[in-house]
Amino acid sequence: EIVLTQSPGTLSLSPGERATLSCRASQSVTNDFLAWYQQKPGQAPRLLIYGVSIRATGIPDRFSGGGSGTDFTLTISRLEPEDFAVYYCQQYGGSPQCSFGQGTKLEIK
Amino acid sequence: QVHLMESGGKVVQPGGSLRLSCEATGFIFSSKAMHWVRQAPGKGLEWVAAISYDGGNKNYGDFVKGRVTISRDNSKNTVHLQMNSLRTEDTAIYYCARVNYDDNGYPSFDYWGQGTRVTVSS
Repeated sequence: EIVLTQSPGTLSLSPGERATLSCRASQSVTNDFLAWYQQKPGQAPRLLIYGVSIRATGIPDRFSGGGSGTDFTLTISRLEPEDFAVYYCQQYGGSPQCSFGQGTKLEIK
Repeated sequence: QVHLMESGGKVVQPGGSLRLSCEATGFIFSSKAMHWVRQAPGKGLEWVAAISYDGGNKNYGDFVKGRVTISRDNSKNTVHLQMNSLRTEDTAIYYCARVNYDDNGYPSFDYWGQGTRVTVSS
């Protein structure tokens, strides 16, 4: 079973700063099927990044993903006010077929 | 325009049953796998179940195996989640999501519904 562990649990930063979020898998993620989602209160999750580093349609280039194997990162180069939200990583195609990390809350400092 | 709309959520007693539905519009429904993901109050996302584009392949999260059945009706562009023997810990918002594969074969949950709320309480 692939378990995803995200860190930190909460990240406190100011607009304009750089954010780095981590996602570690208990075993290698199948075929780099690793995605990131953003969720704001009362809203459904929104796809940001898939295939480790491919930005989804309409996602600004301040969002970038990287990593391989078991260690992955989501980087937001310069935080905008609308970026403060909860972020989840997701693996797909392993065992179980799909799983999510527990989330990182990005809050305004 | 792709749109997913869940329905069927309500308050149900422990041990009860519920059938959730997700109606899809704006794309060729019969060509896409579909998933259910849930979120308990104040908690993270938890994958529940998946069904292939033609309904021939189904997968479930370990915590719901034997209690949940996913199905689809491609003639009605709808995916269902039948939930039995409900427990208080099944209380959550249930989202349906579409799986899309890009030209290089990378999957993603590119569209989500707004969710339907299920409350299991006596």
